[in-house]
Amino acid sequence: AAGVIQSPRHLIKEKRETATLKCYPIPRHDTVYWYQQGPGQDPQFLISFYEKMQSDKGSIPDRFSAQQFSDYHSELNMSSLELGDSALYFCASSLWTSVLNTGELFFGEGSRLTVL
Amino acid sequence: GQQLNQSPQSMFIQEGEDVSMNCTSSSIFNTWLWYKQDPGEGPVLLIALYKAGELTSNGRLTAQFGITRKDSFLNISASIPSDVGIYFCAGTPEQGAQKLVFGQGTRLTINP
Repeated sequence: AAGVIQSPRHLIKEKRETATLKCYPIPRHDTVYWYQQGPGQDPQFLISFYEKMQSDKGSIPDRFSAQQFSDYHSELNMSSLELGDSALYFCASSLWTSVLNTGELFFGEGSRLTVL
Repeated sequence: GQQLNQSPQSMFIQEGEDVSMNCTSSSIFNTWLWYKQDPGEGPVLLIALYKAGELTSNGRLTAQFGITRKDSFLNISASIPSDVGIYFCAGTPEQGAQKLVFGQGTRLTINP
């Protein structure tokens, strides 16, 4: 079965550069979530989208922005990168109705961002 | 608030031993889920709990949704080497039920 696809899997950037992460949800899933996981930390919710509209916002810095496109894929744009942005960034997808009823999310394998 | 407190943070056990970990919160949660994360991978769902008091098993895994809706535990029986990893509890809070909040994780190490 198709899973959540994230790209790139690994990304190395320097401070003050920009980076874009992409997420392709499981087919027919209408909801996308972005999480940030620092070394040894639990995943922290950044932002979510339902039907191309932002549905919730967590601890996403103002330097970051995200959107969900008409084909339901999502992109996380990060500007003015800082050393502390180095982390694993996970995308998860689900059906909105499933999230409300069960909370179940399907996670991608993550994109590891290293800021030097 | 909606923070989940998961314990223990780490466990070092012998192969074949049983494992128990739990999660608590000061807030009420509508669902509790337990995920396992292998190094460099995304979390994978192990067990989902939807009703207070619910006890659910998945092979050697057993989890319960606390009756107060503020806690959950996960038990692993007869541990095997492939059980190594980080286990996260997660839940959808009663307030803001459309997002998943994670516990801090329990890192399980097994000595053969």
